[in-house]
Amino acid sequence: QVQLEESGGGLVKPGESLRLSCAASGFTFSEYYMTWIRQAPGKGLEWVSSISTAGTTIYYVDSLKGRFTNSRDNAKNSLYLQMNSLRADDTAVYYCARGRGMGTFDKWGQGTPVTVSS
Amino acid sequence: DIQMTQSPSTLSASIGDRVTITCRASQNIYSWLAWYQQKPGKAPKFLIYKASSLESGVPSRFSGSGSGTEFTLTISSLQPDDFATYYCQQYNSYSPITFGQGTRLEIK
Repeated sequence: QVQLEESGGGLVKPGESLRLSCAASGFTFSEYYMTWIRQAPGKGLEWVSSISTAGTTIYYVDSLKGRFTNSRDNAKNSLYLQMNSLRADDTAVYYCARGRGMGTFDKWGQGTPVTVSS
Repeated sequence: DIQMTQSPSTLSASIGDRVTITCRASQNIYSWLAWYQQKPGKAPKFLIYKASSLESGVPSRFSGSGSGTEFTLTISSLQPDDFATYYCQQYNSYSPITFGQGTRLEIK
């Protein structure tokens, strides 16, 4: 069955970096858009970034452009989110999700928590 | 950005009730709307796409309707497993994809 497993979250200080990973299994990873979505504590869902099947087209929410980098390795069935210059308002659970068609997300990982605090 | 506004923010209902959640878009999104269900501490679950198409495995008591700027999610007869938070999401474009603020469905 489809499985998505995020890892790499944790507690970091403002200004530091973190790299999240998402390991995919149970489907042909290279055939799907993949997306990162985050949820701050007690808040709603915020789309972060989506990446095309070959990794050649990447979309970001404007507020994160330049700090976050989405990438994928189809040979390793893995998705990554490099997060730099982290701020307190980046504190959230980060989910990876599989894309269905153009812009919906039919399978989600369990999420990895990121806390940015001094 | 396209803003998505859900109403109500909280809804109290009883088992067996019919409930409707509304989602309004700040501009025309045609039928590019999805709905998700999220329970505390869990990832969202995909329910409906293209405004009214039910995802495989989702109970038929869930239905969606609407187009343009106004959409609804209806649960025809509430079951205990349905108490959760529901989010709408527009995917008219990736610039950016946006979610509603959520509607918490609680037991009356």
